[in-house]
Amino acid sequence: DIQMTQSPSSLSASVGDRVTITCRASQGITNYLAWFQQKPGKAPKSLIYAASSLQSGVPSKFSGSGSGTDFTLTISSLQPEDFATYYCQQYNSYPYTFGQGTKLEIK
Amino acid sequence: EVQLVESGGGLVKPGGSLRLSCAASGFTLSSYSMNWVRQAPGKGLEWVSFTSSSSTYIYYTDSVKGRFTISRDNAKNSLYLQMNSLRAEDTAVYYCARVRAWTDGIDFWGQGTLVTVSS
Repeated sequence: DIQMTQSPSSLSASVGDRVTITCRASQGITNYLAWFQQKPGKAPKSLIYAASSLQSGVPSKFSGSGSGTDFTLTISSLQPEDFATYYCQQYNSYPYTFGQGTKLEIK
Repeated sequence: EVQLVESGGGLVKPGGSLRLSCAASGFTLSSYSMNWVRQAPGKGLEWVSFTSSSSTYIYYTDSVKGRFTISRDNAKNSLYLQMNSLRAEDTAVYYCARVRAWTDGIDFWGQGTLVTVSS
């Protein structure tokens, strides 16, 4: 199985900051990498697919990059609604696997 | 408006069974592959199962193989997860999730249904 490792596990930032979350795959997954946002008690929301493509309706403040084994999610100009937990997921091969999550908190 | 509405969760004893349903609206289910993903209380997301649009391809995570069965009724715009021989570690919120294309991964999630396995 492909292991997905996110860093950091938690992150404190202020409104207006720019933050970057990293996701590393244990083996190459080309660009079959997605990012999701989840708020407490809510279902996940799809943000990015194919490593760098925004899902419909997702603001351009979210951006993704990477290929192979190393990927990043960048959120610019943080707003209060952006504080949530973020997950990466590889869909290159089964079983699909998720990172352990990065909790983004307000400083 | 695209909607996925899960139902069928509840409290069940270890060894028992449950059947989850996911009702799709606002799109034609038969055009999409679907997943079940679960989340244990306070934990991260775990992929459970996948079915292609016509059920030609079906996959499971190892921990549920032989116990869970994914199925779909495209005429009823519904996805199912039959869960047998339930264990305490199956306790989780179960989400159905749509796959727009195999190159694009999951694009839409339902709101989830809670399954609690406890005596």
